[in-house]
Amino acid sequence: KQEVTQIPAALSVPEGENLVLNCSFTDSAIYNLQWFRQDPGKGLTSLLLIQSSQREQTSGRLNASLDKSSGRSTLYIAASQPGDSATYLCAVRWSFGNEKLTFGTGTRLTIIP
Amino acid sequence: DAGITQSPRHKVTETGTPVTLRCHQTENHRYMYWYRQDPGHGLRLIHYSYGVKDTDKGEVSDGYSVSRSKTEDFLLTLESATSSQTSVYFCAISADRGRGMNTEAFFGQGTRLTVV
Repeated sequence: KQEVTQIPAALSVPEGENLVLNCSFTDSAIYNLQWFRQDPGKGLTSLLLIQSSQREQTSGRLNASLDKSSGRSTLYIAASQPGDSATYLCAVRWSFGNEKLTFGTGTRLTIIP
Repeated sequence: DAGITQSPRHKVTETGTPVTLRCHQTENHRYMYWYRQDPGHGLRLIHYSYGVKDTDKGEVSDGYSVSRSKTEDFLLTLESATSSQTSVYFCAISADRGRGMNTEAFFGQGTRLTVV
């Protein structure tokens, strides 16, 4: 079964620290992987999309990496700020033509001022 | 923000009544999706559409139907609402950019549905 896992479910770090969020997937033959953030009571905001042919993508203080052979993606957040507090979700599209996303259950991140 | 509008944003309904949720997009994207989000289960796909009148089931489609008569609108109908369908429902869209191209998904703000 194709599954996506995010561990830990919750993480608290002091402001200013660099941090890494993890996403694991069971089938290495993915098409692409997308990272989202979700604020309480809100929708999902797309952060980064990384194609299977790419090793990493960057946007501002965010960097997403992809290692298909180990079935892992990481989201690196540099110099964390209280505004980064949110739930972070990763989602996998398994193959071209299969437009469905399989989501992890997310990591709830709290940045402590 | 992607041009996705969900309506209503909140709804309380009684068990056994029909309910229709609407998703409207202004991006002219080919693909539209309905997901539900529940604690402990994350986001799960209900139905999706790959064009006008073209729809398919997701992993939790029982008790739901969909329709897409125009590119911009995707309707989700609960034929006879049950308490287990209390959830937050999200609409999403993505473009068909061809093999090897980005197919980034964008989400609406969600509809919180309570079935009492």
